[in-house]
Amino acid sequence: GAGVSQTPSNKVTEKGKYVELRCDPISGHTALYWYRQSLGQGPEFLIYFQGTGAADDSGLPNDRFFAVRPEGSVSTLKIQRTERGDSAVYLCASSLGDRGYNEQFFGPGTRLTVL
Amino acid sequence: DAKTTQPNSMESNEEEPVHLPCNHSTISGTDYIHWYRQLPSQGPEYVIHGLTSNVNNRMASLAIAEDRKSSTLILHRATLRDAAVYYCIRGGGYQKVTFGIGTKLQVIP
Repeated sequence: GAGVSQTPSNKVTEKGKYVELRCDPISGHTALYWYRQSLGQGPEFLIYFQGTGAADDSGLPNDRFFAVRPEGSVSTLKIQRTERGDSAVYLCASSLGDRGYNEQFFGPGTRLTVL
Repeated sequence: DAKTTQPNSMESNEEEPVHLPCNHSTISGTDYIHWYRQLPSQGPEYVIHGLTSNVNNRMASLAIAEDRKSSTLILHRATLRDAAVYYCIRGGGYQKVTFGIGTKLQVIP
């Protein structure tokens, strides 16, 4: 079946611009996570949705970052006034539920480059 | 604070077993132990998880210490396709997951 998909796969933007990154989770998965991964590091948690609501957004680095999941399926990560330090691979994952035993299924990521 | 400790890198010869260790000395009684791996230019991929008992699946085995303060991921016969970064994490679900830098496994032909 279809896995988690993310678009675009690559995004190059200029400092100060606004970007949107999209995540399509596996159908029926209620939990959705966003991570950011810098070169040589493990994924860093950003935000977790259970259904339509953000259950934990403690990983968002500042108020330039915002994410939505209006219908409990597709999610969009929005970054305003991008900075060069935002350059990273942004990963999305979904899970059937939010229990500790539920495995997360990751998408291939969106590589964001801020010039 | 990764909450787990893993060696930065390990090497294995092809077709030999590999034991990847992980320390999670502050694990709580309800935290699951999950292992993921990440191949170059891909998102992480689930490998296995467990709570108290040892677990086996088609990819690997997970041996959990009796006190749950450590665990070992076992690849029974390493192949070149197993060369990846392996992450051991605790918690999951609604609990924020912290990935460390993982163990980079190199498989030597």
